[in-house]
Amino acid sequence: AQKVTQAQTEISVVEKEDVTLDCVYETRDTTYYLFWYKQPPSGELVFLIRRNSFDEQNEISGRYSWNFQKSTSSFNFTITASQVVDSAVYFCALMRSQGGSEKLVFGKGMKLTVNP
Amino acid sequence: DTGVSQNPRHKITKRGQNVTFRCDPISEHNRLYWYRQTLGQGPEFLTYFQNEAQLEKSRLLSDRFSAERPKGSFSTLEIQRTEQGDSAMYLCASSQGPSQFFGPGTRLTVL
Repeated sequence: AQKVTQAQTEISVVEKEDVTLDCVYETRDTTYYLFWYKQPPSGELVFLIRRNSFDEQNEISGRYSWNFQKSTSSFNFTITASQVVDSAVYFCALMRSQGGSEKLVFGKGMKLTVNP
Repeated sequence: DTGVSQNPRHKITKRGQNVTFRCDPISEHNRLYWYRQTLGQGPEFLTYFQNEAQLEKSRLLSDRFSAERPKGSFSTLEIQRTEQGDSAMYLCASSQGPSQFFGPGTRLTVL
């Protein structure tokens, strides 16, 4: 079975602080995809990134960076110099890349509040 | 570039009534997914279509739930004899490859 754990349920920071959101996953599949989504107060899930299991290279996009470590089954997300607009619930998700099932398995989410 | 759209955005109904939601995917996307999200939880998969074929259904999808995608474009999700436990946000997503893009959701409240 596939499982995603986001141990932190809620974090509050002050603007300009760096913050890391943890994600640990479980799967028996040898190939899979990992995702991060953002859900602002408006409710719509916004796609942030997809990572293939065979690609462990870390990625940076502006203030966002992702650290994928297959050895520890983790896919952590760091926001550098946080801003108020980063306030949202962030979800980590897992999907098989082979075997027919294309469902996303989500963690419970982590609510980030960035205070001015 | 038009994203995924869902209608209605909000629905309030009385227990025992039937409701139907609609999802219009991004136009070139051949895959369409339905998820349900309750307060404080991540979305849970309900079902998915590739073109008009329904390829996977979750055990969460009881026999009161039915989904269709008759022409491989828009999809409808119907809930019959609604129960208070059906109150949730119903999310639709579409994709052409592995990445799924979500609509704004339909919030259902069953009184």
